[in-house]
Amino acid sequence: EVQLVESGGGLVQPGGSLRLSCAASGFTFSTYWMTWVRQAPGKGLEWVASMKQDGSDKYYVDSVKGRFTISRDNPKNSLFLQMNSLRAEDTAIYYCATRILGWGQGTLVTVSS
Amino acid sequence: QSALTQPASVSGSPGQSITISCTGTNSDVGGYNFVSWYQQHPGKAPKLMIYDVNSRPSGVSNRFSGSKSGNTASLTISGLQAEDEADYYCSSFTTSSSWAFGGGTKLTVL
Repeated sequence: EVQLVESGGGLVQPGGSLRLSCAASGFTFSTYWMTWVRQAPGKGLEWVASMKQDGSDKYYVDSVKGRFTISRDNPKNSLFLQMNSLRAEDTAIYYCATRILGWGQGTLVTVSS
Repeated sequence: QSALTQPASVSGSPGQSITISCTGTNSDVGGYNFVSWYQQHPGKAPKLMIYDVNSRPSGVSNRFSGSKSGNTASLTISGLQAEDEADYYCSSFTTSSSWAFGGGTKLTVL
């Protein structure tokens, strides 16, 4: 059974940092592009970042470029999102996702003083 | 990054069929067969219902089907059931190697 389990969310002050993790199981993690998607409270879905299988290419939505970094550890079947210089508008549920296998349950990030 | 266009709401009676459209451009929907559809119930994570235009993940009812013509993709739900009432989102891979999402469609089962 495919499972994607996010962790690392929480309450952080503006300007602070968080590192999200996604533990993958039930599929060959190293062969899939991985993606982070977020959903602000009461809003729609927004793509955040994606990464190729071997980590050679990374892509980001303009609003997080220079602040967020996507990374992965294939031997440990894990995906990460390092989030720096957080802003109130980054408040959202963050989902770890694949194009054809589905998404995790999400982790809530709240940026507030 | 682009956004796809979906109707804000659709409705149907139990047993009927409904179709939700998702319109993009040649840079996303029209350029790739990588269109997905998600169902989201209140307070829950999005659930993948259709991927690659018309493929269903294991466990998804065959009442859900997808198609694409040009720059517009469609999700059809046949034999509507009360539990189908939810928000539905489309997404597409894009020429920027990003994912574009639609704004979401609220399905009401009358």
